[in-house]
Amino acid sequence: QVQLVQSGAEVKKPGASVKVSCKASGYTFTSYGISWVRQAPGQGLEWMGWISAYNGNTNYAQKLQGRVTMTTDTSTSTAYMELRSLRSDDTAVYYCARDVYAVVVRYYYGMDVWGQGTTVTVSS
Amino acid sequence: EIVLTQSPGTLSLSPGERATLSCRASQSVSSSYLAWYQQKPGQAPRLLIYGASSRATGIPDRFSGSGSGTDFTLTISRLEPEDFAVYYCQQYGSSPGITFGQGTRLEIK
Repeated sequence: QVQLVQSGAEVKKPGASVKVSCKASGYTFTSYGISWVRQAPGQGLEWMGWISAYNGNTNYAQKLQGRVTMTTDTSTSTAYMELRSLRSDDTAVYYCARDVYAVVVRYYYGMDVWGQGTTVTVSS
Repeated sequence: EIVLTQSPGTLSLSPGERATLSCRASQSVSSSYLAWYQQKPGQAPRLLIYGASSRATGIPDRFSGSGSGTDFTLTISRLEPEDFAVYYCQQYGSSPGITFGQGTRLEIK
């Protein structure tokens, strides 16, 4: 079945970096994009950015520009999100999601498959 | 950046009742680019509606979406116990990107 499986929970100190992985299975990885979404404790959803698994093009949320890097490894169908210079307010659950946008017809099909989430705790 | 404002913040209803959730955009959004998600505690969000009115795979027909321009609505015709959750609207934009509403909590009255 189609699924995204994320790496395990992380605890980091302020100023450190974290890299979360998201392994896809059950579909052609390079035919879709991957969005990363985070959710701070008790808060709503925040989109972090998107990467095309086809060509590696990225689009990052403005507030995270310069601190976030998204990459893919097509040989293992895995997407990665690295966040640097961590602060306490980066403490959140981080999700990857398959993001479906049909360029030719300009139609957005939504984030239809989600990973289970990775808890990242930033604390001294 | 397009801001999505959802109302009400919390909606208290009983099973069997009809729920109407609103999502208002700060500027016009193409209907093709508007989606709705459901999230239960401790779970990842689940796609309900895309293209403002199309149900995602496996979503019951008691869920429906409508609207255009700046005003969109998610309607649950008859609430089931499993429908009590938080609901988010989302718009797709290539630049500066995707935004979510702040969410509506649907709770049992």
